Amino acid sequence: EVQLLESGGDLVQPGGSLRLACVGSGFIFSTYDMSWVRQAPGKGLEWVSSFSSTGGNRYYADSVKGRFTISRDNSKNTLYLQVNSLRAEDTAIYYCGRVGLEDSIDTWGQGTAVTVSS
Amino acid sequence: QPALTQSSSASASLGSSVKLTCTLNSRYDTYIIAWHQQQPGEAPRYLMKIEGSGRYKKGTGVPDRFSGSSSGADRYLTISNLQSEDEAYYYCETWDSSSRLFGGGTKVTVL
Repeated sequence: EVQLLESGGDLVQPGGSLRLACVGSGFIFSTYDMSWVRQAPGKGLEWVSSFSSTGGNRYYADSVKGRFTISRDNSKNTLYLQVNSLRAEDTAIYYCGRVGLEDSIDTWGQGTAVTVSS
Repeated sequence: QPALTQSSSASASLGSSVKLTCTLNSRYDTYIIAWHQQQPGEAPRYLMKIEGSGRYKKGTGVPDRFSGSSSGADRYLTISNLQSEDEAYYYCETWDSSSRLFGGGTKVTVL
């Protein structure tokens, strides 16, 4: 069974940092593009960042560019999101998603909650 | 860049059908989209992808009651024989070479 499991979410003060992780299982992790998507309380889905399986290309939404860094360790089947300079508006559930063969996100993790508050 | 527009809400009676629309901006009317379902308190779930031709392909385990279609810049998700568990938010997604985008979501209420 294909599964994604996120971790690392926490309550953090404005300006703080966290590293989110997403472990994949049940598929060959290294062969898939992966993405992070977030959802603020009561709001819709917002794409955050993607990491391609080939070429190491990384892409970011304008709202997080320069503050967030996506990375992956294929030997550990793990996708990361380093989130720095956190703001109140970064408060959200962060979901990890596998980009499937049809190029859409075809598998979602259960999410990890990030709360930015003093 | 592409843009996606969804109605904010839709409702239909138990056992009836509902058709949701996701509209691409005209310049991107050939783009493929995907539909995702998010039940209350849950993570999203992938339902299907829909091409501009109307051809669609569902994810594993998605019930036969869910189908897709297309007309011009519009991509549709039809839920037939509506069940109580279909009460959820439905989001469309599209992508290009460097970014992904979601529509604002449609809340479906089962009456």
